[in-house]
Amino acid sequence: EVQLVESGGALVQPGRSLRLSCATSGFSFDDYAMQWIRQAPGKGPEWVSGLNWNSNSIGYADSVKGRFTISRDAAKNSLYLQMDSLRVEDTALYYCAKGGTEWSPENWGQGTLVTVSS
Amino acid sequence: DIQMTQSPSSLSASVGDRVAITCRASQDIRNHLGWYQQKPGKAPKRLIYTASTLQSGVPSRFSGSESGTEFTLTISSLQPEDFATYYCLQYNTYPWTFGQGTTVEIK
Repeated sequence: EVQLVESGGALVQPGRSLRLSCATSGFSFDDYAMQWIRQAPGKGPEWVSGLNWNSNSIGYADSVKGRFTISRDAAKNSLYLQMDSLRVEDTALYYCAKGGTEWSPENWGQGTLVTVSS
Repeated sequence: DIQMTQSPSSLSASVGDRVAITCRASQDIRNHLGWYQQKPGKAPKRLIYTASTLQSGVPSRFSGSESGTEFTLTISSLQPEDFATYYCLQYNTYPWTFGQGTTVEIK
């Protein structure tokens, strides 16, 4: 069974940094693209960032480009999101998602909450 | 960036009704389009990928189709458990983009 467990969410002040982690199990982590998707309270989901199986193809939403960095560690079967220069508008539930064979997010975690507020 | 225009934003329907939700892409995304269902407090669930491929385990009353840059999710006979919010997602080109969502409510 595929499992994705996000962690690292917290209440932080604007301008500070946070690192999210996604621990995975139940599949061959090396073989699949992975994504971070967020959802602000009462809003629809917003794709944040994603990378392919070997990190050769990486993308970011315009709203986070230059501030967030996605990475993966095959040895730990984990996905990460380094978030710098956080803004109030980054407040959201952050989901980790595993791509299917054709990349689109097939499996999702339950999310970790990031709140940016002074 | 590719814009996904989803319509309608909400609809009211009865159990047994046929409903259709549409997403129009601002440029060619081939068939790299997925449909997701979300219920309150839950993560989105994939229903359809590559525009028309049914996710394993999803009831066959759900179907997807495409015509150029217009994509449609159809529910052939609405069931009580289908009342939810639906989103399309283009994953052809970074940055990936979601539609604005369609909330299906009970009439």
